[in-house]
Amino acid sequence: AQSVTQLGSHVSVSEGALVLLRCNYSSSVPPYLFWYVQYPNQGLQLLLKYTTGATLVKGINGFEAEFKKSETSFHLTKPSAHMSDAAEYFCAVRAGAGSYQLTFGKGTKLSVIP
Amino acid sequence: SQTIHQWPATLVQPVGSPLSLECTVEGTSNPNLYWYRQAAGRGLQLLFYSVGIGQISSEVPQNLSASRPQDRQFILSSKKLLLSDSGFYLCAWNPWTGDNEQFFGPGTRLTVL
Repeated sequence: AQSVTQLGSHVSVSEGALVLLRCNYSSSVPPYLFWYVQYPNQGLQLLLKYTTGATLVKGINGFEAEFKKSETSFHLTKPSAHMSDAAEYFCAVRAGAGSYQLTFGKGTKLSVIP
Repeated sequence: SQTIHQWPATLVQPVGSPLSLECTVEGTSNPNLYWYRQAAGRGLQLLFYSVGIGQISSEVPQNLSASRPQDRQFILSSKKLLLSDSGFYLCAWNPWTGDNEQFFGPGTRLTVL
């Protein structure tokens, strides 16, 4: 079965500092990988995704992630944190070949310190 | 373009009362539909999914049920709410073809007192 591990349920960074949110996955099929962001009391919004092709994926709001097959990782980064980046972030992987479901990680809450 | 709606946005209900949450999708046909719950600090829990009218799969035994009476309508129900049913309920959809990306609704905040 597919699984996702997000290291760190809470991450704090200073405004202007690098954001690094970690995601490791386990998948028995070529993974489709996703990062979602959730602001308080809102639904999830897609930040970026990897399916095939280029392993460095750029998303919205200046975020990017790199698919590293050898490390089974898909970490999310942003060079300079902004106060508006404070939110919860979820990593997800497709649930398996022939499945349209996603398996989500438990989420990482990002705080940005002014 | 496709849009997804959920209502109500917030709901406060007494223990033992019934529940009905509604989700509708516009601009697509035959979507896969999902109900998730977020309890405080517990991430996303998949409750139900549906691949077609009248086809419901339950992921977790619980006090809730789901129905899909129309192609783009998904309803979450309970006959008698428990305190543990409190949480943030999210509906999502994705198309039959594609890369599994799910599109989420704005959510319903349910508080059971």
